[in-house]
Amino acid sequence: GQNIDQPTEMTATEGAIVQINCTYQTSGFNGLFWYQQHAGEAPTFLSYNVLDGLEEKGRFSSFLSRSKGYSYLLLKELQMKDSASYLCAARGTGGFKTIFGAGTRLFVKA
Amino acid sequence: NAGVTQTPKFRVLKTGQSMTLLCAQDMNHEYMYWYRQDPGMGLRLIHYSVGEGTTAKGEVPDGYNVSRLKKQNFLLGLESAAPSQTSVYFCASTHRLGGDEQFFGPGTRLTVL
Repeated sequence: GQNIDQPTEMTATEGAIVQINCTYQTSGFNGLFWYQQHAGEAPTFLSYNVLDGLEEKGRFSSFLSRSKGYSYLLLKELQMKDSASYLCAARGTGGFKTIFGAGTRLFVKA
Repeated sequence: NAGVTQTPKFRVLKTGQSMTLLCAQDMNHEYMYWYRQDPGMGLRLIHYSVGEGTTAKGEVPDGYNVSRLKKQNFLLGLESAAPSQTSVYFCASTHRLGGDEQFFGPGTRLTVL
């Protein structure tokens, strides 16, 4: 079947580094996405990985291991505004559908 | 560019009533999607469209219908609302498959009493 697992909640301190893990199962594989969603708002795109390895974009990095069905989102120099839900999503092959995880709620404390 | 817009933003219905949610995008995107988001669950795909005049069922299509008469608009209809359809509904669009991310509308909060 198709499934995405990620932790429900995480807490980290302002200025620190946090890693949010995601494991996925899809029918084939055509990309792994991370989205950020603040409470009451729409998801917004953070990153996309289709090949193994690390993609860095400012304070945010995303890693993918296709053989392990595993990805993580790394947030550096945490800021209070990073408190949000982070959605892991995977797209299988042969279709137009993206499977979303339930999201990880990140709380950044001072 | 307004991006993806949704109307209405909030709505309360009684069981059995009908309504239509409108999604519009001004980015000339081919693909459009309707999702629902419930607490503790990921975004679940209701219906999607890969182009004007085409629609297809997603993961949870029962109780919903859609139409894509114009490329920029994607309508989601509830013919006879049920309390189980209380949710936040998001519309999204994307230019093409592959690496292009989905752009989401602001959402519609629907309560069915």
